[in-house]
Amino acid sequence: KAGVTQTPRYLIKTRGQQVTLSCSPISGHRSVSWYQQTPGQGLQFLFEYFSETQRNKGNFPGRFSGRQFSNSRSEMNVSTLELGDSALYLCASSLSTGVYEQYFGPGTRLTVT
Amino acid sequence: KQEVTQIPAALSVPEGENLVLNCSFTDSAIYNLQWFRQDPGKGLTSLLLIQSSQREQTSGRLNASLDKSSGRSTLYIAASQPGDSATYLCACAGGTSYGKLTFGQGTILTVHP
Repeated sequence: KAGVTQTPRYLIKTRGQQVTLSCSPISGHRSVSWYQQTPGQGLQFLFEYFSETQRNKGNFPGRFSGRQFSNSRSEMNVSTLELGDSALYLCASSLSTGVYEQYFGPGTRLTVT
Repeated sequence: KQEVTQIPAALSVPEGENLVLNCSFTDSAIYNLQWFRQDPGKGLTSLLLIQSSQREQTSGRLNASLDKSSGRSTLYIAASQPGDSATYLCACAGGTSYGKLTFGQGTILTVHP
C-alpha cells in the first residue's frame, strides 16, 4: 500500500505570493491533518479534515486555509506569504478521526525569500 | 490546553546500550499517545501507538509505556544501534480535538559506534 504523498517536495516563493500544497492520503484513509514544523516552534497543528469538512483548526492566521476533496485528497493554501512561513509542512492521514494512528508524508519544504 | 514535554532534549550513548526517553503531558484526557521517529529533513515515521486503555506496546526492540494518571509515557530502546540515531517525538491526541496531535519538542538521540 502506498504511503502518504505530498507535492511538491520543495518550493521557493517570494514574500507576498501565495502557495498551494497537496497531500494524497493512504488509500482508504478519510482523515487528513496538516502540521507546520519550524526549528523554533516545533510541530504545530494547522487543521484536520474528515469527509470534506474541517473538524479542527489550530491557532494560525486566516492566510492559512485548506480543503479536502471527495477522494480524500487535501490541499492547503497560504496567501500573502511572509518570511516566517518558511517551514516544513507535513500532512498526516488516518482511517478516521479521533483514536486512529496517524501516518505522515515526507513533507513539503517551503522557503520564502 | 495540552502541553507535552520531552526529557532529555538530547542524548548520546554508545552502541549496545539500553535507553529510556521520557514524555510527560498535562491533560490526562487523551485518546492515545504516539511515538514517532524523524530523520533529518524527513517526515515522521510512526513507531508505536498506545491507546488510552493500554499500559504498553512493544515492537521489536522498542517498548512504550503509558501512565495516564501521572501524565507520563516512556519509550525504551533495547540494544541501541547507530541506525537508531534520529529525533524521537511523542504526541498526544485527545479531548475535543479529535485528530489533532500535540507534540513534544523531541529528543535528539545519537548512538555512536
